[in-house]
Amino acid sequence: NAGVTQTPKFRVLKTGQSMTLLCAQDMNHEYMYWYRQDPGMGLRLIHYSVGEGTTAKGEVPDGYNVSRLKKQNFLLGLESAAPSQTSVYFCASSQGRQGISGANVLTFGAGSRLTVL
Amino acid sequence: AQSVAQPEDQVNVAEGNPLTVKCTYSVSGNPYLFWYVQYPNRGLQFLLKYITGDNLVKGSYGFEAEFNKSQTSFHLKKPSALVSDSALYFCAVRVYSGGYQKVTFGTGTKLQVIP
Repeated sequence: NAGVTQTPKFRVLKTGQSMTLLCAQDMNHEYMYWYRQDPGMGLRLIHYSVGEGTTAKGEVPDGYNVSRLKKQNFLLGLESAAPSQTSVYFCASSQGRQGISGANVLTFGAGSRLTVL
Repeated sequence: AQSVAQPEDQVNVAEGNPLTVKCTYSVSGNPYLFWYVQYPNRGLQFLLKYITGDNLVKGSYGFEAEFNKSQTSFHLKKPSALVSDSALYFCAVRVYSGGYQKVTFGTGTKLQVIP
């Protein structure tokens, strides 16, 4: 009963380096989301996906790319990391479809702490 | 724009006293509202939600929330606070954008329960 798993949990990057955060869910959820959490700003949506092969921009998408090649995985990429991307990143998933009990409830991963020097 | 606001960065309450964490919302149509809790170094956990029906919603760990349409509020409450309730609490609302639904969070309120 893993739920949502994020890897890695911690990462330190230098400015300009690239990296990918992996999110995997085993609940057969349709919707997946990437948020970043910064002090005093709550959670801000970066990108989200409403199904395999689909992605959409959230509130703060600049500097990030995503892919959802398989239903259970949602990847967040940073092509050229910047210090402003230092944050804690959370992946979440939900059933999404209306009429299903718990459809709107998000299940979160434990987070990935990224530091960009 | 559809949004949710938490006016208090921090709430302090003595153990055993009732607690309230405030949330107001601004959405078009009928709101879907949620409360999540985050313990240190953990992801967010679902507490309760309001979709329709009774204005008083009961959730996990003895928490409840009252939906007030006229005041556009969804305050989180608990009759008797525990030290273990100390955490970061987020109010959230489901919004529609570009034909898809997504969940928008408030900035969070840190609850400190004092022994």
